[in-house]
Amino acid sequence: QKEVEQNSGPLSVPEGAIASLNCTYSDRGSQSFFWYRQYSGKSPELIMSIYSNGDKEDGRFTAQLNKASQYVSLLIRDSQPSDSATYLCAVNIWGQGAQKLVFGQGTRLTINP
Amino acid sequence: DTEVTQTPKHLVMGMTNKKSLKCEQHMGHRAMYWYKQKAKKPPELMFVYSYEKLSINESVPSRFSPECPNSSLLNLHLHALQPEDSALYLCASSPSDTSYEQYFGPGTRLTVT
Repeated sequence: QKEVEQNSGPLSVPEGAIASLNCTYSDRGSQSFFWYRQYSGKSPELIMSIYSNGDKEDGRFTAQLNKASQYVSLLIRDSQPSDSATYLCAVNIWGQGAQKLVFGQGTRLTINP
Repeated sequence: DTEVTQTPKHLVMGMTNKKSLKCEQHMGHRAMYWYKQKAKKPPELMFVYSYEKLSINESVPSRFSPECPNSSLLNLHLHALQPEDSALYLCASSPSDTSYEQYFGPGTRLTVT
């Protein structure tokens, strides 16, 4: 089982709709969870972080965390063409006696005008 | 200001060359990271520096040699690389190695010929 798993997509959503991105992780000890957005040819940009069970909202973005189910999701409301990108889920995991960030494979999202 | 800078933006080098990648941040962050990213793949952690000391080496070949001259600077020295080392090399920083909100620089696109 991979440490962090995402559906690679592509996920296609019409403009104005809600895009839903999902991620599962294997380490029950993980405490910190992140969503990064990466445009083609660019570096990852941190868009959301979540540390507690429940929802966290920031503008059109909502991150949801369920530690019992080891599940993190990202909702994008009122999707815009500019939201078209690859979204990377990242989770902190213990390795080599230290914590490190492990990324999922990424979900490619396309918003259709 | 969450800015990490990297130079050069692009680098083409032969397999016998020696070159260096540079990364700088002025956010007072005490942890810095090198990642390698191949096309359509997530970033892969290479090295972690915490308070200027190497804390994680993800079994990276010795042809990659990291250096952290001070808390704001991170270098990656390259020697005798292989064509398969061609990738986007990303630097990131975070307030500490227990704070996982990592901020990425724009990356260096490396081509080994």
